[in-house]
Amino acid sequence: AQSVTQLGSHVSVSEGALVLLRCNYSSSVPPYLFWYVQYPNQGLQLLLKYTSAATLVKGINGFEAEFKKSETSFHLTKPSAHMSDAAEYFCAVSGAFGNEKLTFGTGTRLTIIP
Amino acid sequence: EPEVTQTPSHQVTQMGQEVILRCVPISNHLYFYWYRQILGQKVEFLVSFYNNEISEKSEIFDDQFSVERPDGSNFTLKIRSTKLEDSAMYFCASTNLQGGNSPLHFGNGTRLTVT
Repeated sequence: AQSVTQLGSHVSVSEGALVLLRCNYSSSVPPYLFWYVQYPNQGLQLLLKYTSAATLVKGINGFEAEFKKSETSFHLTKPSAHMSDAAEYFCAVSGAFGNEKLTFGTGTRLTIIP
Repeated sequence: EPEVTQTPSHQVTQMGQEVILRCVPISNHLYFYWYRQILGQKVEFLVSFYNNEISEKSEIFDDQFSVERPDGSNFTLKIRSTKLEDSAMYFCASTNLQGGNSPLHFGNGTRLTVT
């Protein structure tokens, strides 16, 4: 069984400040990990994914995430927040080859303070 | 860039009625999915579909639900007799590769409201 836990359902940061959204995973097999973003009234857009090639993964819009096996974490960061980053962010996990079903976390709503 | 398209964007129906949610996956994709998101809750897996049959389904996907790929482009989710608790945003997704590292491409969703 796989699961992800996102700490903090709401996060507020000032424009230009560091964004840190936390995600911890649980998986009995080597995981594949994803961050998706959902803007209001839109679908889920892939930000980045970890597939064991490199522990630091760079995604779109300046976001990156680091896979830390020892901490079972995959936190999402961005050095400088922009107003357009305001959205809901979902961490998700899937298993190894042949198990592509995604299990999502509960989401973190990111608010940017001008 | 190719997109997954879903229609309608919003569907209102009365309890007990049948609804069909429609999706057009990306054309060269072979694996199709439905997820749902009840307001304020997390996105939940409903069903996956490959080679014209269900490959996996969740406990949510009971006998009231069915999926179909009636032609080469559409992928539908049918709810036979809707309940109030079926009110949610339903997302269709597709991918062209099997395996956990193939990201899913999601549509913008259909908001289903059951009254």
